[in-house]
Amino acid sequence: QSALTQPPSASGSPGQSVTISCTGTSSDVGGYNYVSWYQQHPGKAPKLMIYEVSKRPSGVPDRFSGSKSGNTASLTVSGLQAEDEADYYCSSSAGSNNLVFGTGTKVTVL
Amino acid sequence: EVQLLESGGDLVQPGGSLRLSCAASGFTFSSYTLNWVRQAPGKGLEWVSSISGNGGSAYYADSVKGRFTISRDNSKNTLFLQMNSLRAEDTALYYCAKGWLSRGDFDYWGQGTLVTVSS
Repeated sequence: QSALTQPPSASGSPGQSVTISCTGTSSDVGGYNYVSWYQQHPGKAPKLMIYEVSKRPSGVPDRFSGSKSGNTASLTVSGLQAEDEADYYCSSSAGSNNLVFGTGTKVTVL
Repeated sequence: EVQLLESGGDLVQPGGSLRLSCAASGFTFSSYTLNWVRQAPGKGLEWVSSISGNGGSAYYADSVKGRFTISRDNSKNTLFLQMNSLRAEDTALYYCAKGWLSRGDFDYWGQGTLVTVSS
């Protein structure tokens, strides 16, 4: 199972929005509404930010939103803040009790 | 408060074995699927293995199938990963995570334990 494709980097100024894509196939992203997004700060464990494409766990700001179209999922961070600077990873169910992660995107707040 | 604490990481030679542990607290341990996810130095996340709440079902990534065995002791709230025939490419920080494999939403993670495979 190949990793989902994410852009290596994305950036935006404080207050702006940034959108990260996560491209897979019909066997993973396109086939299931089980896309999650994780935020990882340097030296820290990943944190769940979005699950089931667009749902936010308790405590995650509503500046974070998710969507999906076909084989591509997206994470949008609106109103960028300094603390949003981190690596972001998508994941998707790939059927048959299999899970695949994305390649990761480093978000920089300019 | 949910806590997951991994241990057992070490430097091991290629072909060697290692057993990782993850001690859990703050939730009903036997009710939840638990997972191992690894991250090679400077690289992305890779799902490794998952086990159902009662331990009756276990799942593995192709990259570790036949070499790694996941297990759990529900009486001690502890998750394990037995790693055999280790290879250089198994070098990574190994995280324990709580969540449903079928949905891929891992809501709590430990801080990880480092496994280094090198001669």
